[in-house]
Amino acid sequence: GENVEQHPSTLSVQEGDSAVIKCTYSDSASNYFPWYKQELGKGPQLIIDIRSNVGEKKDQRIAVTLNKTAKHFSLHITETQPEDSAVYFCAASGSFKTIFGAGTRLFVKA
Amino acid sequence: DVKVTQSSRYLVKRTGEKVFLECVQDMDHENMFWYRQDPGLGLRLIYFSYDVKMKEKGDIPEGYSVSREKKERFSLILESASTNQTSMYLCASSPGHLNTEAFFGQGTRLTVV
Repeated sequence: GENVEQHPSTLSVQEGDSAVIKCTYSDSASNYFPWYKQELGKGPQLIIDIRSNVGEKKDQRIAVTLNKTAKHFSLHITETQPEDSAVYFCAASGSFKTIFGAGTRLFVKA
Repeated sequence: DVKVTQSSRYLVKRTGEKVFLECVQDMDHENMFWYRQDPGLGLRLIYFSYDVKMKEKGDIPEGYSVSREKKERFSLILESASTNQTSMYLCASSPGHLNTEAFFGQGTRLTVV
């Protein structure tokens, strides 16, 4: 069946460094790729998304890139801050079905 | 702001009990979802609903049922709770058009003993 693989499962960076999380998907019908951030004790919240007709999107310190040919997309966080520490989920959505990655726990050390 | 509210943050139930998890959204969204979140497995879809009284099975519906009698409310029912249903349960809603942002509740951590 369709799946989304997400790497790494854990990422630890120094404050100010960049963090990159990568996902690959299998369903060619996927055309919407959201990224969610889940802070401790809260539900996931959308931080950025990209659609299949776009290769890159940026919002302040956060950017997402999409390579439809290779079926992979990535989240880039620059100038990381302690408040970026959280669990991040990628997802691939198409045909009214959304598949989530397993999540990446990001630690930003002050 | 969209608000998705789950009735309980923490629940402890006994094996064999019937368990109800309630979810209410205030943005008139057509779609509502129940996910289960387990470490290393991400979010797995249990059931979803795209309209009142409509329901569709997700990837892991066994042992669960749902009810959507009103547009704003989506209930998850564990017919006979088992220890392997100990998990974090997340409710979400989204507008009617396809492939758009989902808004999540804060989650219910259910422990079955």
